[in-house]
Amino acid sequence: EIVLTQSPGTLSLSPGERATLSCRASQSVSSSYLAWYQQKPGQAPRLLIYGASSRATGIPDRFSGSGSGTDFTLTISRLEPEDFAVYYCQQYGSSPSSNFGGGTKVEIK
Amino acid sequence: QVQLQESGPGLVKPSETLSLTCTVSGGSISSYYWNWIRQPAGKGLEWIGRIYSTGSANYNPSLKSRVTMSIDTSKNQFSLNLSSVTAADTAVYYCARSVDSSSSSSQYWGQGTLVIVSS
Repeated sequence: EIVLTQSPGTLSLSPGERATLSCRASQSVSSSYLAWYQQKPGQAPRLLIYGASSRATGIPDRFSGSGSGTDFTLTISRLEPEDFAVYYCQQYGSSPSSNFGGGTKVEIK
Repeated sequence: QVQLQESGPGLVKPSETLSLTCTVSGGSISSYYWNWIRQPAGKGLEWIGRIYSTGSANYNPSLKSRVTMSIDTSKNQFSLNLSSVTAADTAVYYCARSVDSSSSSSQYWGQGTLVIVSS
């Protein structure tokens, strides 16, 4: 089973700053099968990025995904107030299974 | 606009079977993967499994012995059964639809339903 480790656990930043979130896999993941989600309290997760770098419908271009193999990154170029939330990565390439990372909380500094 | 809605008992007794249904509106249930994901209070997301519109299903290995998924294309519904539940199965359960026919990344989500396992 592929284990996804997200770091840091918590990221304290101010609005306007750049956020860089890491997702590291215990084995190589096909870039086609790595996704990122945002979740706010009391809400369902929201798909941001799929296929490692493709933005989902309606996602602002300040969100970008990159990486390959075992190292993937979600970058938020300039944090807006609504971006403070928990972010999860998910791999779905080790078919027929899938799993999520433990999450990174982006909080206001 | 695709919408998903989970339904089912909010309280299940230990050792019994948790049964949830997800009703899809605003789009066809065909040619997509349909996922179940859960989240215990204050914790992260856990993928339970997925079912394709043909009925082919894949499950999380850690839950595989207790999980069964089914799909009814005539009703635009799919379902989750989780047997022999314990308190550890208490969580918000989400149903979700894949981005497209080739992946399990989930673009459309239900609002989630809280299931408590307690006697």
